[in-house]
Amino acid sequence: AQKITQTQPGMFVQEKEAVTLDCTYDTSDQSYGLFWYKQPSSGEMIFLIYQGSYDEQNATEGRYSLNFQKARKSANLVISASQLGDSAMYFCARSANFGNEKLTFGTGTRLTIIP
Amino acid sequence: DAGITQSPRHKVTETGTPVTLRCHQTENHRYMYWYRQDPGHGLRLIHYSYGVKDTDKGEVSDGYSVSRSKTEDFLLTLESATSSQTSVYFCAISESSVLGYTFGSGTRLTVV
Repeated sequence: AQKITQTQPGMFVQEKEAVTLDCTYDTSDQSYGLFWYKQPSSGEMIFLIYQGSYDEQNATEGRYSLNFQKARKSANLVISASQLGDSAMYFCARSANFGNEKLTFGTGTRLTIIP
Repeated sequence: DAGITQSPRHKVTETGTPVTLRCHQTENHRYMYWYRQDPGHGLRLIHYSYGVKDTDKGEVSDGYSVSRSKTEDFLLTLESATSSQTSVYFCAISESSVLGYTFGSGTRLTVV
């Protein structure tokens, strides 16, 4: 199985600081996608950001950016200016494209923002 | 309007009974997935479907079966529920990985 690794089970960050959540992945595919999802205590899965393996620029969505280092097989999520509402579980996931559409998840990082 | 709904939202059942969870979509997406979420494991794929009557196993398929007789419905059946199948079950839909995945609200299943 091609694994997704999130090495930080939990993180505590002061409000308004930036935070980086780590994600590394295995893959033998040339074409794949990388995703980050947020899961607040209410339980729903909220899509945050997507990076395609052939995208030359790092993806950004508002306060979220994805630090994509293809050679290192790394796809870290950066949240700028953290807010109390950012407290949640965060999951990194990978898909293979073009016919293999399964999404494989990491084990998640629980982020707690401290006021 | 939610493009994907799961039912029931909560269920308690006894060991040994069959249980069916339903995922319904209104987006006409080709791909549908069932995941289970357990602490320390993230979301793990149980089964998925890439079209009507086309399904395949995921990494944790033992004890589960699925059916997709219509584009909009994907059913997950626990043939004989066990306590190890107590979990939160998520359905997801996708037309293409590059277009993203949409998740249902989840079903919390407790097997006693």
